[in-house]
Amino acid sequence: AQSVTQPDIHITVSEGASLELRCNYSYGATPYLFWYVQSPGQGLQLLLKYFSGDTLVQGIKGFEAEFKRSQSSFNLRKPSVHWSDAAEYFCAVGGEGGADGLTFGKGTHLIIQP
Amino acid sequence: EPEVTQTPSHQVTQMGQEVILRCVPISNHLYFYWYRQILGQKVEFLVSFYNNEISEKSEIFDDQFSVERPDGSNFTLKIRSTKLEDSAMYFCASSGTGRGAQHFGDGTRLSIL
Repeated sequence: AQSVTQPDIHITVSEGASLELRCNYSYGATPYLFWYVQSPGQGLQLLLKYFSGDTLVQGIKGFEAEFKRSQSSFNLRKPSVHWSDAAEYFCAVGGEGGADGLTFGKGTHLIIQP
Repeated sequence: EPEVTQTPSHQVTQMGQEVILRCVPISNHLYFYWYRQILGQKVEFLVSFYNNEISEKSEIFDDQFSVERPDGSNFTLKIRSTKLEDSAMYFCASSGTGRGAQHFGDGTRLSIL
């Protein structure tokens, strides 16, 4: 069965500093990978997705993620965080079926220090 | 930008009562999903729906749950006899293609008393 691990429950970063959120997945075939962000009281907003091709994918709000098959990882990065980036970040993997549900990690809570 | 809308935003129901959560997916999307998030826990998949039938369901989606697309725009989740442990945030999502990016609504917070 597929699974997603986000090893960091909380991360604190100073405003303007760089960010990397870790995600490891377990999946038998070529994974479909996603990063979502959730602000308090809000739904899940898609930041970026990886289906195939270039392993470095660009998303919205200046985020990018790199797929590394050898490490089963799909880490999210941003070169310079803004206070508005404070939120919960979820990594998710999609299955092989046409309408498979996503399997989510437990999330990483990002705190931005002034 | 098109979005998934969910109503109500908050639903309070007595244990044992039936509840219907409503969703309007993005208009040209063909795949529909329900997820739930118990407070402090991760988002969990419940069910997917395509071509007017369930495509996949998780272990959580037992006989108490049902889904329906009653018309061309709405997608509903019904819980027949609610339990305390059904208290959670329920998210609807839709995608244009199978394995496509899923777009989520803002959720319905269900509180069972």
